[in-house]
Amino acid sequence: ETGVTQTPRHLVMGMTNKKSLKCEQHLGHNAMYWYKQSAKKPLELMFVYNFKEQTENNSVPSRFSPECPNSSHLFLHLHTLQPEDSALYLCASSFDWNTGELFFGEGSRLTVL
Amino acid sequence: AQTVTQSQPEMSVQEAETVTLSCTYDTSENNYYLFWYKQPPSRQMILVIRQEAYKQQNATENRFSVNFQKAAKSFSLKISDSQLGDTAMYFCAFMKRNSGTYKYIFGTGTRLKVLA
Repeated sequence: ETGVTQTPRHLVMGMTNKKSLKCEQHLGHNAMYWYKQSAKKPLELMFVYNFKEQTENNSVPSRFSPECPNSSHLFLHLHTLQPEDSALYLCASSFDWNTGELFFGEGSRLTVL
Repeated sequence: AQTVTQSQPEMSVQEAETVTLSCTYDTSENNYYLFWYKQPPSRQMILVIRQEAYKQQNATENRFSVNFQKAAKSFSLKISDSQLGDTAMYFCAFMKRNSGTYKYIFGTGTRLKVLA
């Protein structure tokens, strides 16, 4: 069983839809991250939360809206997306002053039509 | 700004043989960490090995070892006795601590296929 769970695993949406991605970690970590993974490109950091507070927004378009109600849950709300937003969205978590390791979920594969 | 370069988009190796994946990075920092992560097909990314920049000794984890050349800003991964389960995307990453969280810069990845 993975310590970081992402749902849904696959999502297809139209450009006018509103949907959300969910991430839950069972590891007691304080920090959670959203990354975007596109083919042949480095992983792109989108948002970072530390103890529920957003500490980094990497110039992400406003059509992506994160929410972190507590240290175990992280959401990414999606609305009016573009086809170029199609990608694998990875959630990760980490523990303050530990080995520096990120623990990843399996990802949510998003297709925007 | 830091950058990480993986110049080998794809590689293949015969089972039981040894393969080396290349990674170079650019930074003006002196204290940082380097990682190799593995992403098997349709599965989660997991840590393979980590190296602290202040340590001269190369890290090893069972069949996985690194060749860390700080002056040359090079961080290659050697996989010995390759197994079919090693088939995956491998990402090299540079990391700096940032007030309780970790700021990672990832490379574009190397797709490794282990052949039976």
